[in-house]
Amino acid sequence: NAGVMQNPRHLVRRRGQEARLRCSPMKGHSHVYWYRQLPEEGLKFMVYLQKENIIDESGMPKERFSAEFPKEGPSILRIQQVVRGDSAAYFCASSSDRGRDQPQHFGDGTRLSIL
Amino acid sequence: SQKIEQNSEALNIQEGKTATLTCNYTNYSPAYLQWYRQDPGRGPVFLLLIRENEKEKRKERLKVTFDTTLKQSLFHITASQPADSATYLCALLSNRDDKIIFGKGTRLHILP
Repeated sequence: NAGVMQNPRHLVRRRGQEARLRCSPMKGHSHVYWYRQLPEEGLKFMVYLQKENIIDESGMPKERFSAEFPKEGPSILRIQQVVRGDSAAYFCASSSDRGRDQPQHFGDGTRLSIL
Repeated sequence: SQKIEQNSEALNIQEGKTATLTCNYTNYSPAYLQWYRQDPGRGPVFLLLIRENEKEKRKERLKVTFDTTLKQSLFHITASQPADSATYLCALLSNRDDKIIFGKGTRLHILP
């Protein structure tokens, strides 16, 4: 009964490189959310996807950041030309539907460090 | 402006006592509030949800209250144990824009 799986757990990139973060939702879940967390800060919503569709990307920077959730395979959060300020923990969560009271199930995050 | 606030300072409670954590919000009309637990290096884990028309919810040693007049939720852990030490996050779903907003969390230390 696997939960939400994120990989890698830790990712180190140099400035200007690309970072690709993967998230496999819980079995049967078709709704995926990405959050960013800085130390001593709350989780900040980035993007909400449903299979093959971006539903809400209002929390995601317009440049360098993109997300997808293909029909087959994990959801990917992609950060191009990374900068030091991108260093953070990125969490993915999934839910079974968009019901307003559905709890979100979180992965253990990817900690991105930019050198 | 819209805010969701939790005690920023860590809370130290003696084992066996009741721990009470506070979540206040302004300029939101939440459909519900959720509470999560987060351990260092891990993702948040869902604990409880309370809807706007509910005053209180219980689950084992946990109790959540929701006062829409005071715009506040209280989270109680009774008979606290060292294993309850973690950061506790509150999150609300805004009726206005259907977004889930998280507080920064309160660190709880249960002292043996």
